[in-house]
Amino acid sequence: SYVLTQPPSVSVAPGQTARITCGGNNIGSKSVHWYQQKPGQAPVLVVYDDSDRPSGIPERFSGSNSGNTATLTISRVEAGDEADYYCQVWDSSSEVVFGGGTKLTVL
Amino acid sequence: EVQLVQSGAEVKKPGESLKISCKGSGYSFTSYWIGWVRQMPGKGLEWMGIIYPGDSDTRYSPSFQGQVTISADKSISTAYLQWSSLKASDTAMYYCASGPTGVSWFDPWGQGTLVTVSS
Repeated sequence: SYVLTQPPSVSVAPGQTARITCGGNNIGSKSVHWYQQKPGQAPVLVVYDDSDRPSGIPERFSGSNSGNTATLTISRVEAGDEADYYCQVWDSSSEVVFGGGTKLTVL
Repeated sequence: EVQLVQSGAEVKKPGESLKISCKGSGYSFTSYWIGWVRQMPGKGLEWMGIIYPGDSDTRYSPSFQGQVTISADKSISTAYLQWSSLKASDTAMYYCASGPTGVSWFDPWGQGTLVTVSS
């Protein structure tokens, strides 16, 4: 089955840029979606179809996808961005696959 | 406002059965897929399966096939996840989430239902 690999943790200072990667075999050929999950809360979609933002999601959140890596970029990071982030794709056998998640720490 | 509201927390004993629910509102329930996702304590998200309430087309993750049953009652805009015989390892938070197609993102998500299985 298809595997998505995320770094367990990413740390960044407030105001800086955080980049969270999601690796998968030829992931650039798939649509990648990203979710933010704060402690004790349900996941929230922050980027869909590689780089589109749902309404209400700040422009600071952006995404890209090419080759074997998709990236969620959070610009001008704020304390409120501290959360777990998950990438998601559908694989060729019509199964949903989630990455293992990345804990973003704002220093 | 599009919303999914899940049933409340459950405490069950091993071997008992359980059915939890997810009620949609603010949109055409029969036109969007509903997926179920497990999150074990301190762990990541695991996809369990998905259903299209319009015609009850259902797909399961191989990891959960035969372990749970996903269903929907479109007359009351509600999807269900059920177990016939719970195990301690079923202890987890379970989320439902809506998707525009059978192969897309999920948005919005329900608030989650915590299931605790303990003797």
